[in-house]
Amino acid sequence: KAGVTQTPRYLIKTRGQQVTLSCSPISGHRSVSWYQQTPGQGLQFLFEYFSETQRNKGNFPGRFSGRQFSNSRSEMNVSTLELGDSALYLCASSLGGTGAIYGYTFGSGTRLTVV
Amino acid sequence: AQSVTQLDSQVPVFEEAPVELRCNYSSSVSVYLFWYVQYPNQGLQLLLKYLSGSTLVKGINGFEAEFNKSQTSFHLRKPSVHISDTAEYFCAVSNAGGTSYGKLTFGQGTILTVHP
Repeated sequence: KAGVTQTPRYLIKTRGQQVTLSCSPISGHRSVSWYQQTPGQGLQFLFEYFSETQRNKGNFPGRFSGRQFSNSRSEMNVSTLELGDSALYLCASSLGGTGAIYGYTFGSGTRLTVV
Repeated sequence: AQSVTQLDSQVPVFEEAPVELRCNYSSSVSVYLFWYVQYPNQGLQLLLKYLSGSTLVKGINGFEAEFNKSQTSFHLRKPSVHISDTAEYFCAVSNAGGTSYGKLTFGQGTILTVHP
């Protein structure tokens, strides 16, 4: 079965612009989490959605937002981009409930470069 | 708050040698523990997880890890590594309950390099 699909794979944006990243979870998975990966800060949790509701949020400014659609697909948006937002953004899906029990499956990520 | 410390940022080994990647964690509540592997330009792949029960957990690709509650450790081991094991490895924890749905706290990663 198809894995977690993230689009686009690569993105270059200019400071001040906004960007939307997309994640399609594994079919049947209802939970989608987002993580930011940078060389300096490592992997940091952004937020998690389950059945279109945000269940948990990490310590990121309000410029970072997300949503989940009824088909479980998720998007995250970053407004007013800063150079420090350059990172690999990873999406992970799980069946739901307590995702740890079912396991998280990660996508290959979207590499965002802000210039 | 939880934290994860991977004690080695880089581990070089020769092919067919054993390897241990060390992970310590800190948490005030019960946790689930994971090891993930990341190959260049790819996402994370789950190697193994500890939820409860036997403290020795076996995963994919011949890896295993042992949960030690008293030492708050979850070290990853493989008795004989291959060139293809060269990658970055991440230890992670999540709350075993409560409201931290979807939230994994990761260590900083250990780069395993296997030399021929």
